[in-house]
Amino acid sequence: TQLLEQSPQFLSIQEGENLTVYCNSSSVFSSLQWYRQEPGEGPVLLVTVVTGGEVKKLKRLTFQFGDARKDSSLHITAAQPGDTGLYLCAGAVYGNKLVFGAGTILRVKS
Amino acid sequence: DTAVSQTPKYLVTQMGNDKSIKCEQNLGHDTMYWYKQDSKKFLKIMFSYNNKELIINETVPNRFSPKSPDKAHLNLHINSLELGDSAVYFCASSPYGLNTEAFFGQGTRLTVV
Repeated sequence: TQLLEQSPQFLSIQEGENLTVYCNSSSVFSSLQWYRQEPGEGPVLLVTVVTGGEVKKLKRLTFQFGDARKDSSLHITAAQPGDTGLYLCAGAVYGNKLVFGAGTILRVKS
Repeated sequence: DTAVSQTPKYLVTQMGNDKSIKCEQNLGHDTMYWYKQDSKKFLKIMFSYNNKELIINETVPNRFSPKSPDKAHLNLHINSLELGDSAVYFCASSPYGLNTEAFFGQGTRLTVV
């Protein structure tokens, strides 16, 4: 049983479409991070959210942390081929280690 | 300027061999990790070190032995390699401790044949 459930597992969309990736858990996290990983590379941190209800924007990416700090979402507006990659959420359980979701593979077709 | 660098990037070896992967970070972080990413892209922590001290050992077989000569280096030695060890191994470091954002190396793709 994974601590963090990500959905969908795979997403293939056309350039210009919007999409949302979800990260859910029954546990409360002190913070939650989103990473993007490209083939042959390590994950790269996109954002960290700490406060329940927090919303952060990074250009066309919008990240939200649930009020109860148990879930998060990543919304991409007008997706571009350069957004293609594996998106990973990772939660920090209080005083413990970082746990990763299984990831969402995003493919944006031009 | 590579922040977290690990070598080699690719490693192909036969079952039963012993191999090492090296990792160095120039970020000045106190905490370093080894993660394993399986074929389904699931990333799971193996070990965590803080200032050269082992903090987390996540039920990893004894054949895996990490070594941290100083807080900028964390190497991984694997004895008696098995087919199931084939995966991508990532080294990472964190500035603020165990459960904070991690900075990853490029990974080492280990293939055991």
